[in-house]
Amino acid sequence: KNEVEQSPQNLTAQEGEFITINCSYSVGISALHWLQQHPGGGIVSLFMLSSGKKKHGRLIATINIQEKHSSLHITASHPRDSAVYICAESNFGNEKLTFGTGTRLTIIP
Amino acid sequence: NAGVTQTPKFQVLKTGQSMTLQCAQDMNHEYMSWYRQDPGMGLRLIHYSVGAGITDQGEVPNGYNVSRSTTEDFPLRLLSAAPSQTSVYFCASSYSTGTYEQYFGPGTRLTVT
Repeated sequence: KNEVEQSPQNLTAQEGEFITINCSYSVGISALHWLQQHPGGGIVSLFMLSSGKKKHGRLIATINIQEKHSSLHITASHPRDSAVYICAESNFGNEKLTFGTGTRLTIIP
Repeated sequence: NAGVTQTPKFQVLKTGQSMTLQCAQDMNHEYMSWYRQDPGMGLRLIHYSVGAGITDQGEVPNGYNVSRSTTEDFPLRLLSAAPSQTSVYFCASSYSTGTYEQYFGPGTRLTVT
């Protein structure tokens, strides 16, 4: 059974700090997704990657296929980054996604 | 584009009642899916569809029914609501399968008393 584990479960940091959220998965993947869920409840896709690294603004996502591990980094964090960050994986031949339980990030001004 | 729309946003049902959660997308996506989100748990797949006329069960299908008569619409039916179905429900779509970017609807918060 595919399993996706995220750490930490909760993270509180001061504005401006560099943030790292980790995601580990148990089987080979075709894609790893990072999603953001704001307090209002809506879920948006941040990144989808299968190798290497992607960057969008202050957000960077990396993946290490050999170690079955992905990280989401936020540089110069801001209170508006406060949200739940969710990773999910899909694997070859399987149309479904398996989700982690999320990391709740709170950035204090 | 409206993206993925869901109705209603909130619903309260009594045990045993039935209802349909609506989901529609205007991006011509083949893949659509329904998830439930409960505290402390990751999103769990209820049912999914890889195209019009094709549906399949996910991880937690019991008590739910789906159909996909058009590419745009993917309604989720609760046959006889139970308190265990109290949850937040999300519909999502993508071009094709989980290997593509996922687009989520705003969610429906359902309470069964």
